[in-house]
Amino acid sequence: EVQLVESGGDLVQPGGSLRLSCAASGFTFSRYSMSWVRQAPGRGLEWLASIKHDASEEHYVDSLKGRLTISRDNAKNYLFLQMSSLRVEDTAVYYCATLRISPAADGYYYFYYMEVWGRGTTVTVSS
Amino acid sequence: EIVLTQTPGTLSLSPGERATLSCRASQSVASNFLAWYQQKLGQTPRLLIYGASIRATDILDRFSGSGSGTDFTLIITRVEPEDSAVYYCQLYDRSQFTFGPGTTVEIK
Repeated sequence: EVQLVESGGDLVQPGGSLRLSCAASGFTFSRYSMSWVRQAPGRGLEWLASIKHDASEEHYVDSLKGRLTISRDNAKNYLFLQMSSLRVEDTAVYYCATLRISPAADGYYYFYYMEVWGRGTTVTVSS
Repeated sequence: EIVLTQTPGTLSLSPGERATLSCRASQSVASNFLAWYQQKLGQTPRLLIYGASIRATDILDRFSGSGSGTDFTLIITRVEPEDSAVYYCQLYDRSQFTFGPGTTVEIK
C-alpha cells in the first residue's frame, strides 16, 4: 500500500524554525517527484514546494522563497521541509504528496498532478 | 501569475441532482496541466481528475472533467451524500502549482 506519513509538526514561537518529515512506503520513492502543500485553518490548499525524483531540481512558491528548503533522502525514503523565520500565518496542516509527471499516450506532453497525499502534520506558530 | 477562480463558492444540491463546478483561469492554459481534487471535511485531499478530463484511479464515472483554454468544468452527475466536500482545481504553470479557492458542495 502506498503510504505517506508526515511528522515534525509542533508548536513553535514566531521567528523559529522547524523541519518536517514525510516517510514514504509502498512504492519506489526514488522514482517520484514530491511536493509539500499546506492548509491554514478554514482555508484552501496552498502549494509550497516540489522536488524532482533525484533532487536535481527544487521549486518553491514565490511568496515563501528564502524561508523554505525542500530536500529528500532516497536511501531512507524520506522527504523533508525545512521552514525558517516562522510567522503566525504559517500555522497550518502541512501535507506531503507524490507529484506525478506522466506522459500522455502520444508522448507529446505531460500531465502534472499530486496523486497520493499523506494525512498531514500540524504546525502552530504562536507566542 | 495565473489566477484560478472557482464558481460557485457553495453549491447546495439534493441527492440525484447534477453538480456543475467551474474553474476559470486568468489566461489560457494547457489542459494537461489542470487537475481537480476532492477534500471531505477533516480528510486529506484526493485526486479526482488530471489532464482536465482523465479520471484518477478508482474514481467513479459520476465524476467527469472537461474544458480548455481558460474554462474548465467538473461535473458530478447524480450527487450522493458522500459527495459533500470542497472541490479544488489546480494548475501547473512554469514549475509552480496554483490551487483555486474551492467550491463547497453541500448535499441537502
